[in-house]
Amino acid sequence: AQSVTQPDIHITVSEGASLELRCNYSYGATPYLFWYVQSPGQGLQLLLKYFSGDTLVQGIKGFEAEFKRSQSSFNLRKPSVHWSDAAEYFCAVPQESLTFGKGTMLLVSP
Amino acid sequence: DAGVTQSPTHLIKTRGQQVTLRCSPISGHKSVSWYQQVLGQGPQFIFQYYEKEERGRGNFPDRFSARQFPNYSSELNVNALLLGDSALYLCASSLVSANYGYTFGSGTRLTVV
Repeated sequence: AQSVTQPDIHITVSEGASLELRCNYSYGATPYLFWYVQSPGQGLQLLLKYFSGDTLVQGIKGFEAEFKRSQSSFNLRKPSVHWSDAAEYFCAVPQESLTFGKGTMLLVSP
Repeated sequence: DAGVTQSPTHLIKTRGQQVTLRCSPISGHKSVSWYQQVLGQGPQFIFQYYEKEERGRGNFPDRFSARQFPNYSSELNVNALLLGDSALYLCASSLVSANYGYTFGSGTRLTVV
């Protein structure tokens, strides 16, 4: 079965600094992979998705993610974090329906 | 174009009661999925419906049931509510399958007291 692991529960980044959120997947073939963001009390918003092809995927709000088969990873990055990026981020993979990681809470310090 | 809409937004129920949550998918989307998200956790899959048929079920007790109507809207029913059912219930729609990603509604916050 496909699954994703997000090893970091919380991450704190200074405003303006770069960000990388980790996601590892377990699946034999090339998976479909997604990153979602959730603001407090809200639903989930799709940031970006990977199906195949170019391993560097551009998303909304200045986010990007890179698929690395050799590392079974699909890490989310942003070159300069804004205070409004503070939220919870979920990596997901289709498994019957979408299966989510446990999430990483991003805190942005001034 | 309207996104995924869920109603009500908030709900308070007493243990043992029953609740019905509603979801309207994006126009043209035929697949609806339901998720439960307990505070501090990722969403957990409950049901998926496609073309009015159940296509998947997560690890939830039989107290949870759902259906999809001819207009592709959906209802999630939970009977004999427990305190542990308190959560944000999310509905998501897609054209066909999860492979193309889902669009989520803002959720229904259910509190069981």
